[in-house]
Amino acid sequence: KAGVTQTPRYLIKTRGQQVTLSCSPISGHRSVSWYQQTPGQGLQFLFEYFSETQRNKGNFPGRFSGRQFSNSRSEMNVSTLELGDSALYLCASYPRAAGSYNEQFFGPGTRLTVL
Amino acid sequence: GNSVTQMEGPVTLSEEAFLTINCTYTATGYPSLFWYVQYPGEGLQLLLKATKADDKGSNKGFEATYRKETTSFHLEKGSVQVSDSAVYFCALRGGSQGNLIFGKGTKLSVKP
Repeated sequence: KAGVTQTPRYLIKTRGQQVTLSCSPISGHRSVSWYQQTPGQGLQFLFEYFSETQRNKGNFPGRFSGRQFSNSRSEMNVSTLELGDSALYLCASYPRAAGSYNEQFFGPGTRLTVL
Repeated sequence: GNSVTQMEGPVTLSEEAFLTINCTYTATGYPSLFWYVQYPGEGLQLLLKATKADDKGSNKGFEATYRKETTSFHLEKGSVQVSDSAVYFCALRGGSQGNLIFGKGTKLSVKP
């Protein structure tokens, strides 16, 4: 069974630009969560989606948005990039609804560098 | 709110040494507790988990026991190997929320 796929793996952008990251969950998984990992703040939760609906959102500004498609694939978008948005963005998928005791399977991440 | 505190690294050990990485948590209710491992250049892998008090999670020689009385979930391994070198994250998931709350991570380096 293929694991969680994230594209692209590496991305370099400049301040003010916007970026879209993609996550394809494990086949059959309907929930996707996104996390930001930085050396200073560690791993922080961004959003959680189940059946195309955002179920939970972390404490990030409105520049960060996401969505989930009918095939469970998810995208996140960051508009008006800032230097502090440089991070590893991790996506996790799991089989069922949020709140259930499912193991979350993580992808390799997208490394975003903002210059 | 919910939070996780784990010991700061880095931790450097010789091969076959005993490993303990401390983790304590603050949470309402009865959270599930996890240890994840991150190898260089990779995403997170679930190492072990425990979903209720006194549960012991174990995998690949690593163990952790859910201690509600001390709100702790310390990671232990009796004999580490060079291949265990990685960053270890303690995490919890509580209530009806599906998101994980992570500790800052502890970098482990094992020398031959």
